[in-house]
Amino acid sequence: GQNIDQPTEMTATEGAIVQINCTYQTSGFNGLFWYQQHAGEAPTFLSYNVLDGLEEKGRFSSFLSRSKGYSYLLLKELQMKDSASYLCAVMDSNYQLIWGAGTKLIIKP
Amino acid sequence: IAGITQAPTSQILAAGRRMTLRCTQDMRHNAMYWYRQDLGLGLRLIHYSNTAGTTGKGEVPDGYSVSRANTDDFPLTLASAVPSQTSVYFCASSDGAQGIDEQFFGPGTRLTVL
Repeated sequence: GQNIDQPTEMTATEGAIVQINCTYQTSGFNGLFWYQQHAGEAPTFLSYNVLDGLEEKGRFSSFLSRSKGYSYLLLKELQMKDSASYLCAVMDSNYQLIWGAGTKLIIKP
Repeated sequence: IAGITQAPTSQILAAGRRMTLRCTQDMRHNAMYWYRQDLGLGLRLIHYSNTAGTTGKGEVPDGYSVSRANTDDFPLTLASAVPSQTSVYFCASSDGAQGIDEQFFGPGTRLTVL
């Protein structure tokens, strides 16, 4: 079967750095997405990786290792507004997104 | 309007009733999707449409039907609602030849079936 694993919840301090991991087992791979979802709101796109390596976008970076079935989202200089759930999703061989359950990130002052 | 709109925002429905959730996008995106989101689970694809006039089944299609008469609209119908269909429903769209573009989500419909 297809499976996306990520931690249920993480806590970090304002101004610090946090890494949210995602491991996957899917039938085929056409890229990995990270989305941010604030409570009660819709998911919004953060990043897309299809090749191995690090993609940097401002305070957010995303890393992919296809051989290990592994990705992480790195958030730097954490702000209170970064409190949200972070969703990892893999596009399978049918170009359908398989979603993880999300990691709820709690930022403390 | 800009982006994707969904209606209603929330609804309480008696079991056995028929319900249509509406979704409209103004981005001229080819592909549209319906997901449900339940606590502790990832988003699950119900139905999708790669282009107007075509639809396909996702991971959890039973009890739901869709139509795609034009590019902008993608309604989701529950023919006879059951309590297990209580969920938050998100409509999304994307524009890409092979669907690898990001998906844009509507604000969601919170549905409770009693």
